[in-house]
Amino acid sequence: SQTIHQWPATLVQPVGSPLSLECTVEGTSNPNLYWYRQAAGRGLQLLFYSVGIGQISSEVPQNLSASRPQDRQFILSSKKLLLSDSGFYLCAWSPGIGNSPLHFGNGTRLTVT
Amino acid sequence: AQSVTQPDIHITVSEGASLELRCNYSYGATPYLFWYVQSPGQGLQLLLKYFSGDTLVQGIKGFEAEFKRSQSSFNLRKPSVHWSDAAEYFCAVGAYQAGTALIFGKGTTLSVSS
Repeated sequence: SQTIHQWPATLVQPVGSPLSLECTVEGTSNPNLYWYRQAAGRGLQLLFYSVGIGQISSEVPQNLSASRPQDRQFILSSKKLLLSDSGFYLCAWSPGIGNSPLHFGNGTRLTVT
Repeated sequence: AQSVTQPDIHITVSEGASLELRCNYSYGATPYLFWYVQSPGQGLQLLLKYFSGDTLVQGIKGFEAEFKRSQSSFNLRKPSVHWSDAAEYFCAVGAYQAGTALIFGKGTTLSVSS
């Protein structure tokens, strides 16, 4: 069966520090991968999605970036965190076909201080 | 542009009472619709999905949802709520094309009173 791993679960970082959140999927190949951010009362905001290695689509311009160095690995990064980057970050995957639902990881709670 | 509206930010229901969470969508093509549930500090779990066919779909944990094209709605229902149903619920709409991500509503928080 397929599983998705996301880490770390919680992270406290100072303003201006770099960020690296990692997500891996097991048990499937060529998944579509997604990064969402969830802020209180604002639902889920799609940040990036990827349909293949090295293929990244950005939905919201900001100081975050994403990379997909391997088929089942998706990384969310920042060179310098802002206070506004605080939130709950969720990685998700779906099979690389049509209308399949997303399957989510357990999320990373990021607090920028 | 595609959008999903969940009109109710917070709902409180007595345990054992029925539940209906509202969801309205705006989408140019035939939508694919989903309901997810999120417990505090956790990821999202898929409750049910609608792609085509029967407009009343059954999901896990005793939930069901009805797709009404004329009203652009996909409301979630449960006949008898349990205290463990307290969580945040998200409606989402998707496109047919591979790689297109889901668009989520802002969520409805469900509280269950005893």
